[in-house]
Amino acid sequence: QKEVEQDPGPLSVPEGAIVSLNCTYSNSAFQYFMWYRQYSRKGPELLMYTYSSGNKEDGRFTAQVDKSSKYISLFIRDSQPSDSATYLCAMRFYGGSQGNLIFGKGTKLSVKP
Amino acid sequence: DGGITQSPKYLFRKEGQNVTLSCEQNLNHDAMYWYRQDPGQGLRLIYYSQIVNDFQKGDIAEGYSVSREKKESFPLTVTSAQKNPTAFYLCASSIDGRNTGELFFGEGSRLTVL
Repeated sequence: QKEVEQDPGPLSVPEGAIVSLNCTYSNSAFQYFMWYRQYSRKGPELLMYTYSSGNKEDGRFTAQVDKSSKYISLFIRDSQPSDSATYLCAMRFYGGSQGNLIFGKGTKLSVKP
Repeated sequence: DGGITQSPKYLFRKEGQNVTLSCEQNLNHDAMYWYRQDPGQGLRLIYYSQIVNDFQKGDIAEGYSVSREKKESFPLTVTSAQKNPTAFYLCASSIDGRNTGELFFGEGSRLTVL
């Protein structure tokens, strides 16, 4: 079993839809959870990060962590064509360095006008 | 503008040749990283450096080498020993190696071996 599993998609939704992106993981020691957005032929950029369990909201984006299920989610409300990108989840241990960051394979999202 | 500059953006090389990818940052970050991205594989760590004159191997260091002589620079050499070098290479930095803060990525260098 891989440490971090992420459905690669592609996921296609109409503009205005609520999007749910998910990752599962196997190592219960992960404590920091991040979502990066990567536009085509560009480098990733950090969208959200959370520590341990719970929810975090930023505008149209909500990140959820369920440590009991080893499951993290990113919700996008009122999705826009500009949200079309690949979304990568990433996670690491408490006290570990950024060099221990483990990435999912990414989910490619397309929002149609 | 502060950020990470990678060059060249596209690079072609013949088999058996070494090639060096440049990465420069003006964010005054201590830590720098090199990742490789292949379709369907996600990001895999090649090397990282938490401080000048020090670096550690990542998950896929074989066939690669790095140096960190200056804080702002972290070049990656793809050697002829790398069996499958065609990929998209991403350089990143962070304030320090242990901070929970974000990784800042460059725009990437796409290497194609002919």
